Amino acid sequence: GDSVTQMEGPVTLSEEAFLTINCTYTATGYPSLFWYVQYPGEGLQLLLKATKADDKGSNKGFEATYRKETTSFHLEKGSVQVSDSAVYFCAPGYSTLTFGKGTMLLVSP
Amino acid sequence: DGGITQSPKYLFRKEGQNVTLSCEQNLNHDAMYWYRQDPGQGLRLIYYSQIVNDFQKGDIAEGYSVSREKKESFPLTVTSAQKNPTAFYLCASRSTGIGTGELFFGEGSRLTVL
Repeated sequence: GDSVTQMEGPVTLSEEAFLTINCTYTATGYPSLFWYVQYPGEGLQLLLKATKADDKGSNKGFEATYRKETTSFHLEKGSVQVSDSAVYFCAPGYSTLTFGKGTMLLVSP
Repeated sequence: DGGITQSPKYLFRKEGQNVTLSCEQNLNHDAMYWYRQDPGQGLRLIYYSQIVNDFQKGDIAEGYSVSREKKESFPLTVTSAQKNPTAFYLCASRSTGIGTGELFFGEGSRLTVL
C-alpha cells in the first residue's frame, strides 16, 4: 500500500526563518498530493495541493512542488510567523488518502 | 455554512460500553471517511464509504462498525471489542466528481475510556 515519510519534529524556528518540511512517498501511479495543517484540538485543514507532476501548490506563503522523479512533495515557506505553529501532514492518494505521522512546527517570536 | 459536524466533541466511556460518534455533512459529498489519530502516529483509516448503503474497511477496522443509510450521515460505533479506544476521531468527506479529491474534515471527537 501507499506510505509516507515525513521529517520528524518538532521543528523549532524563530519568526521570519525559512521553513522546509520534507515529505517522500511510495504509491502506485501518480496520486494527487496534499499538505494539511492541524491546529491544537481541531480537525485538519487543507493547506495546498498538486495533482500532476511539476505542479506547484501554494497558499498563505507556503509552497510545494510535485516531484515525480524523487516521489517528493516538500513544504516550504520563506518567512514563518508565530501563527504558523501547528502540525503539518503530507498525504498522497486517490479515493483514500494516506497520511504521514505529521511534523510539529513551533515558531518563537 | 456548508461543512462537517461531528458530535460530541468530548466523550467519556466506561470499559465494556459501546459508543456512537456522529458525523453529518451538508456538502453533498458522496464519500465519507473515519480516521483515528493517536499521538505520534498520524491518521489511520478506520472505514470509508463511497456511496449510500456501501462501505469498506480501512487499515484498522477491528472493533469498529459503521452505517451509511443517508448520504449526509456516517456514524461510527466504537464497540467493546476495540482494545484501545481512547483516541481522537476525525470524520471527513470528499466529492467523487471531477476534481482533486481533497478531503474536508470535521472538528473531531475525543473519546476517553475510563
